Amino acid sequence: DQQVKQNSPSLSVQEGRISILNCDYTNSMFDYFLWYKKYPAEGPTFLISISSIKDKNEDGRFTVFLNKSAKHLSLHIVPSQPGDSAVYFCAANGDGSSNTGKLIFGQGTTLQVKP
Amino acid sequence: DVKVTQSSRYLVKRTGEKVFLECVQDMDHENMFWYRQDPGLGLRLIYFSYDVKMKEKGDIPEGYSVSREKKERFSLILESASTNQTSMYLCASSFRNYGYTFGSGTRLTVV
Repeated sequence: DQQVKQNSPSLSVQEGRISILNCDYTNSMFDYFLWYKKYPAEGPTFLISISSIKDKNEDGRFTVFLNKSAKHLSLHIVPSQPGDSAVYFCAANGDGSSNTGKLIFGQGTTLQVKP
Repeated sequence: DVKVTQSSRYLVKRTGEKVFLECVQDMDHENMFWYRQDPGLGLRLIYFSYDVKMKEKGDIPEGYSVSREKKERFSLILESASTNQTSMYLCASSFRNYGYTFGSGTRLTVV
């Protein structure tokens, strides 16, 4: 059972426009959410996170929104740049109150930003 | 700069071989993880460890085992490699719930 879902395998946007990547989850016990970015032949790198007590977190061009009632989060990139072209993974803390830090990942969305 | 190092970037092995993938972190993290990445399936957890000599199965442990004899090193073992284990393998470490640091990955091809 996929607890974290990214239903759009790919997204293509024009440079300078907004990119919106979506993620849905099923487990209401998740209390921390993260986005990772992955270039080909490299490991994922941390991008931005949000705690379940917040509904928005912003870091430069990147903003994550959390809608707990809908069990939905989204990543906004404004303005999009060609260097943002990568695979983006949504992840949720899968262990509730434990300290193992295990994350559950979505399937990933491949973003292409066209010059 | 904190680091997770995977010993090989690319590996080609034959069906039936025993394969060792090594991962070392220099951050004194308690938690270490092995994932595999496949197109359309995202990152799937194979095994994780939250302390030396401790291990727990993830979502897809079949055909794999792990070893954690020292805090900084977490090894993934493919007991008898098969072609369906061709994949990108990613090691990560974390301190409690503060998110992961990933290694660069090992692209394993089993022929």
